[in-house]
Amino acid sequence: EVQLVESGGGLVQPGGSLRLSCAVSGLTFSNYAMSWVRQAPGKGLEWVSHITSSGGSTYYADSVKGRFTISRDNSENTLYLQMNSLRADDTAIYYCVPKKGGWFDPWGQGSLVTVSS
Amino acid sequence: EIVLTQSPATLSLSPGEGVTLSCRASQSVSSYLAWYQQKPGQAPRLLIYDASNRATGIPARFSGSGSGTDFTLTISSLEPEDFAVYYCQQRSNWPPYTFGQGTKLEIK
Repeated sequence: EVQLVESGGGLVQPGGSLRLSCAVSGLTFSNYAMSWVRQAPGKGLEWVSHITSSGGSTYYADSVKGRFTISRDNSENTLYLQMNSLRADDTAIYYCVPKKGGWFDPWGQGSLVTVSS
Repeated sequence: EIVLTQSPATLSLSPGEGVTLSCRASQSVSSYLAWYQQKPGQAPRLLIYDASNRATGIPARFSGSGSGTDFTLTISSLEPEDFAVYYCQQRSNWPPYTFGQGTKLEIK
């Protein structure tokens, strides 16, 4: 069974930083591209960032480009999202998801990030 | 960026009824469209991929159809556990991957 366990969320002031981690088990992590998708309270889903299986290529939504950095450690089966210059509109649950067969499946329970003073 | 527009925003139905949800893309996405279900307090779950293929473990009452710009998700007979929010998502032209704004199925 695939498990994705996100951690590192919490309350941070505007302008602050956080690093999210996602520990993956139950699949060969190094074979899968991964994404972060977020969901603001009461809102829909927004794709944030994507990294290829090797980590050689990364992609970002315009809303986070230049502030967020996605990375991975294939030896530790872990995905990361470094978030800098956080703003109130970054408040959301952040999900890490593998791209299986081209689609996001399965999803972890997510990590809540709250940006507030 | 491809915009996905879902309709209606909310549907009120009773268990046992059938329902069709719509997702329209701002340009062709071929068959590169998926549907996800999200229940309150839970993470999304993949239901349908490549427009018409059920994901592993998804009941046969769920079906998807369409190609190009117009897609539908049909639930043949609603079970109590089907009342949730449904999102469509495209991977035809990325980045960015884009999602529709969601359709909420609520119990009448």
